[in-house]
Formats: sequence, C-alpha cells, structure tokens
Amino acid sequence: AQSVSQHNHHVILSEAASLELGCNYSYGGTVNLFWYVQYPGQHLQLLLKYFSGDPLVKGIKGFEAEFIKSKFSFNLRKPSVQWSDTAEYFCAVNALYGNNRLAFGKGNQVVVIP
Amino acid sequence: EADIYQTPRYLVIGTGKKITLECSQTMGHDKMYWYQQDPGMELHLIHYSYGVNSTEKGDLSSESTVSRIRTEHFPLTLESARPSHTSQYLCASGTGGQETQYFGPGTRLLVL
Repeated sequence: AQSVSQHNHHVILSEAASLELGCNYSYGGTVNLFWYVQYPGQHLQLLLKYFSGDPLVKGIKGFEAEFIKSKFSFNLRKPSVQWSDTAEYFCAVNALYGNNRLAFGKGNQVVVIP
Repeated sequence: EADIYQTPRYLVIGTGKKITLECSQTMGHDKMYWYQQDPGMELHLIHYSYGVNSTEKGDLSSESTVSRIRTEHFPLTLESARPSHTSQYLCASGTGGQETQYFGPGTRLLVL
C-alpha cells in the first residue's frame, strides 16, 4: 500500500513570506496526487490535484504544486502567503491501478502571522 | 460546493452507549468513505462503500460498522462506545476512477 510523508508538521511564518510544503509518496506506479486544505472550523476541501499532463499544477488562492516523478514528490508552494492561509494542509495519493483508495499524509499545520 | 452533511457535529457520551453517526450526500456519488482522524495524525480509512449494499473495511481496524441502504446515506454505528473511540470521524464521497473526494464537516466524538 502507498504511504505519504509530510515533514515539518508545524510551520509558522509571516505574511508575504513564501511557503513550500513537502510531500513524498512511496508507490512506484501511476498515481493521482492531491492537496487538501482545512481552514479553522471548516470542511476539508480540495486545493489542487494532479492526474496527468503538465506536472506544474495551479490551484485555488494562488497555490501551485509540482509533480516530480523521479523524486516521488508533489510539493506545494505559494510565493506570498496571507494571514487567511492559516490552515492545515494534507497531501494525499491515490494509486491509479492499486486499491484506488486515498492515502493521506499527517498534515502540515501552517500559521501565518500578520 | 460539495453537499455532504454529518450529524451530530459534536457528541459527548458515556462508555457503553450505542451511537450512530450520520452522513448524507446530495451529489449522487456512488462511493462513500469514513475516515478517523486524531490530532496531528493522518486520516485513516475505516470503511468504504462503492454503492448500495456494498461495504468494506478500510485500512485501519475499527469496531464500528456501516450500512449503505440508500445511495445518499452512509451511517456509522458503534454498538458500545469506549474512551478509545474518542476521535474525529470524517465522511467523504466521490465518483470513482480519477476521483476527487468531497468531505463533510466531521463529527468530534468524546467518550467518557
């Protein structure tokens, strides 16, 4: 079964700083990749996803992620964060020809200081 | 906007009680899922269903049971709650294949 690693569980940064959250997975086959975000008191919601094509994916609210197949990575980035980006971010992987179920990382708790 | 509902949002209950956590979706999705999430930990799949009358256990062993009698409804039941069941339970639905899963707001369960 696939597994997903997210490092640096707690991230604290100031507004306008750049953010990069790492995500590595352990499945050698074809995968679908997702970043989900959970704002305080809200549902877990989709931020962006990669199925195929351009490995640089644009999501909502200025986020992007890059799929690097050789590194089994799908890192999330935002050039300039805002206070409203304070949230928990989860990377998830779905093996296309495996059990077809999502495997989640432990999440990154991001706090943006105004 | 995804329409998936969970009730109750918060539940405090004594040991030994039977509880049912409700989950409903109005999107007509065939696939539904229950995840368990503890603070600072990943979501663990405990049950899933690929359609009516189909239920399977997930990757994390759970003493709970589920049913899928209607497409839109996927309740989770604990026959006898214990403190070890204290957690957050998230319900999700999706269309299958290259799917995106849509999540409900979760139920935070505290068993005393």
